[in-house]
Amino acid sequence: DGGITQSPKYLFRKEGQNVTLSCEQNLNHDAMYWYRQDPGQGLRLIYYSQIVNDFQKGDIAEGYSVSREKKESFPLTVTSAQKNPTAFYLCASSIDSGNTIYFGEGSWLTVV
Amino acid sequence: AQSVAQPEDQVNVAEGNPLTVKCTYSVSGNPYLFWYVQYPNRGLQFLLKYITGDNLVKGSYGFEAEFNKSQTSFHLKKPSALVSDSALYFCAVGPGGFKTIFGAGTRLFVKA
Repeated sequence: DGGITQSPKYLFRKEGQNVTLSCEQNLNHDAMYWYRQDPGQGLRLIYYSQIVNDFQKGDIAEGYSVSREKKESFPLTVTSAQKNPTAFYLCASSIDSGNTIYFGEGSWLTVV
Repeated sequence: AQSVAQPEDQVNVAEGNPLTVKCTYSVSGNPYLFWYVQYPNRGLQFLLKYITGDNLVKGSYGFEAEFNKSQTSFHLKKPSALVSDSALYFCAVGPGGFKTIFGAGTRLFVKA
């Protein structure tokens, strides 16, 4: 089945640690995105990539980093510089940067 | 600048009754409009979109949305609500990709 796979579903981070959330898509989409959703809140764009080997900061990029070495993969690293990382993280993709966005199932990150 | 508003934080409806979830938008030019649904602990699922053409757009799970240019609205509707429709609904305005702006979401409760 075609889709967007995020892993892990639940992740716990200790203070001072970097953690990486995985996102893989087999939809052959050029564009990929990372959003953050806080409980009861809307979506905020962290980073996006319109094509392989290129990515751009979104509205809340501080404390996060990404890479786009393969078309199918867009991992998000939450660094220790992100002071309030506890949230639900959503990966998404679209055929191109001007089209309908489709989402993965999300990953919960909690600081312990 | 584009913007989207969902004026109701929560909508309550009895099972079997029609439901409406409201959305208004502000764009320059022709709007691309989207509706997504999010069930607890899940990613957003695409329901439908309006780009051009018929003002009544049909989507997944029996949902439809009515585009009204004069009122700058794109309300989501369903003739007969199900308990399983209870979820968080997001309206979004395009043109798609990283330029998509999501509303704050409306929580729908369908009571048996």
